[in-house]
Amino acid sequence: KNQVEQSPQSLIILEGKNCTLQCNYTVSPFSNLRWYKQDTGRGPVSLTIMTFSENTKSNGRYTATLDADTKQSSLHITASQLSDSASYICVVSDRGSTLGRLYFGRGTQLTVWP
Amino acid sequence: EADIYQIPRYLVIGTGKKITLECSQTMGHDKMYWYQQDPGMELHLIHYSYGVNSTEKGDLSSESTVSRIRTEHFPLTLESARPSHTSQYLCASTGDKNTGELFFGEGSRLTVL
Repeated sequence: KNQVEQSPQSLIILEGKNCTLQCNYTVSPFSNLRWYKQDTGRGPVSLTIMTFSENTKSNGRYTATLDADTKQSSLHITASQLSDSASYICVVSDRGSTLGRLYFGRGTQLTVWP
Repeated sequence: EADIYQIPRYLVIGTGKKITLECSQTMGHDKMYWYQQDPGMELHLIHYSYGVNSTEKGDLSSESTVSRIRTEHFPLTLESARPSHTSQYLCASTGDKNTGELFFGEGSRLTVL
């Protein structure tokens, strides 16, 4: 069964600290893995998309890594800010393009305290 | 910022009412999607469209219906709302043939009393 599991379910950190969110998947075949940020009551916004051949991709203070062999990805947030408080969702596509099916994780709820 | 809009953002209605959630995008994307999301849960695909006059049901069974008469619009309709329909509804579109990157609207939060 194709699944995407994220950990931790929730995380609280102090402003300025770093954190790492985890995503494990069993989706096969694999085409790409995406990380989205979803603010409370808003729609998800794309942070990164990584294909099979990419093992790291950065977007400002966000750095995603991918190990396609172990089927694991992580999202590292550096020097956290209050605005980083949100749900971070890992999404895996099985065929890429617009024909692939998407498998969503339940997200990690990050809270940054001042 | 993605040019995809949902109206209304919030809606509180009584049981039995008919409602339509609007979704419009100005990016010329062929493919559009409706997802349902409950608190702390993953997004579930309820409808999708690959172009005008094309609509398909998603993975999660839904009593809602959709239409795609124009490329830009993908409205979702509930003929008779029930409390079990209370949820967040997210519309998305994609035009990237390589990655299929999704652009989401802000969502419509529906509460049925």
